[in-house]
Amino acid sequence: DTGVSQDPRHKITKRGQNVTFRCDPISEHNRLYWYRQTLGQGPEFLTYFQNEAQLEKSRLLSDRFSAERPKGSFSTLEIQRTEQGDSAMYLCASSLPIALTDTQYFGPGTRLTVL
Amino acid sequence: QKEVEQDPGPLSVPEGAIVSLNCTYSNSAFQYFMWYRQYSRKGPELLMYTYSSGNKEDGRFTAQVDKSSKYISLFIRDSQPSDSATYLCAMSAEKSSGDKLTFGTGTRLAVRP
Repeated sequence: DTGVSQDPRHKITKRGQNVTFRCDPISEHNRLYWYRQTLGQGPEFLTYFQNEAQLEKSRLLSDRFSAERPKGSFSTLEIQRTEQGDSAMYLCASSLPIALTDTQYFGPGTRLTVL
Repeated sequence: QKEVEQDPGPLSVPEGAIVSLNCTYSNSAFQYFMWYRQYSRKGPELLMYTYSSGNKEDGRFTAQVDKSSKYISLFIRDSQPSDSATYLCAMSAEKSSGDKLTFGTGTRLAVRP
């Protein structure tokens, strides 16, 4: 399977714990995006990387959130001191812009439940 | 007011019906328009990608963009039970803004056999 993969698929944690998610983009895709989706809503942009550089962060990304893409390949999203409001599906997408096209391909997501 | 408005449904139609899904938006900077399909507890899957105004057809799917009205549509012909999913419209501005997507809330569609 050469699509975007995310790990873990599900994570249950207690309030106050730290969690880390991993995203492996499609090989050769230089852009990687993180989105968050809550029940009944569309995905909301969190941050994106061009290669290893983090170029934009949403105001949704509080200081408890940090994302990295150290070698321009896989990325991690860490949430410190989780809160119940962090419960959501965390989606990763990757793309390779060509001319006017920048199609983002999404992974299956990591569903986080904070108890 | 949200930048992208989409009726959440649910929309229930019989098999074989033509389905019309719509979104309106307020940001005139949006230039790229997409429709994604999302099955329950799965990631979104791209269906259609269009640039600026006009129509685009792919099999049973037709996407329309009317930038003057800030209105986009997705038509599904000969709908099938396997089309039952949530349909998300998404859009982005010029590439200088990083192509982050702004999504609608999604419309849940159920196609009855």
